[in-house]
Amino acid sequence: SAVISQKPSRDICQRGTSLTIQCQVDSQVTMMFWYRQQPGQSLTLIATANQGSEATYESGFVIDKFPISRPNLTFSTLTVSNMSPEDSSIYLCSVEAGLVSGNTQYFGPGTRLTVL
Amino acid sequence: DAKTTQPTSMDCAEGRAANLPCNHSTISGNEYVYWYRQIHSQGPQYIIHGLKNNETNEMASLIITEDRKSSTLILPHATLRDTAVYYCIVRPQGAQKLVFGQGTRLTINP
Repeated sequence: SAVISQKPSRDICQRGTSLTIQCQVDSQVTMMFWYRQQPGQSLTLIATANQGSEATYESGFVIDKFPISRPNLTFSTLTVSNMSPEDSSIYLCSVEAGLVSGNTQYFGPGTRLTVL
Repeated sequence: DAKTTQPTSMDCAEGRAANLPCNHSTISGNEYVYWYRQIHSQGPQYIIHGLKNNETNEMASLIITEDRKSSTLILPHATLRDTAVYYCIVRPQGAQKLVFGQGTRLTINP
């Protein structure tokens, strides 16, 4: 398994501002993923982030709104840009264990974002 | 990816076995069955996964029917800390993303 940490654990932000969420893993991983969980809902994948390449976004999510960085094999950031109250959600980072695709995914503790 | 169907909610008495069903009648031969759970306000926790054989680990057992169209997650001795939403997910071998449904909200009662 992998130990994953996220910063911040929670934040309250004003509309129109941006927040960058960090995800740190204790081992090198190829695949990192960012999910969103809106209040009372299940998880939805935002994008897949591979080291050294552009993130791949799911339908309904765009890079201008959710820019992602993946500078190395243990770290990634997700920015929620120009926030509105509809962006209030839990944002979760996950990783695939190891460097081979198709392995089990493990999740971080999440970042609870409230936008006023 | 194959779709899964789970009951919306279930209750179980503490100390008893909790059996959570999942229907995945359109599963393909190369698709694995994964189970995760999410305790309130935490990130999802991996429980177990399997292809066609039954699997057991320190957390649970996974029973997959011979035709692979359904499976059951078994928590042998449920405790109050097992109260969570349990997600059954079907994922092709080598696929990257997990597609979460609504899951089953399991409540363990004292």
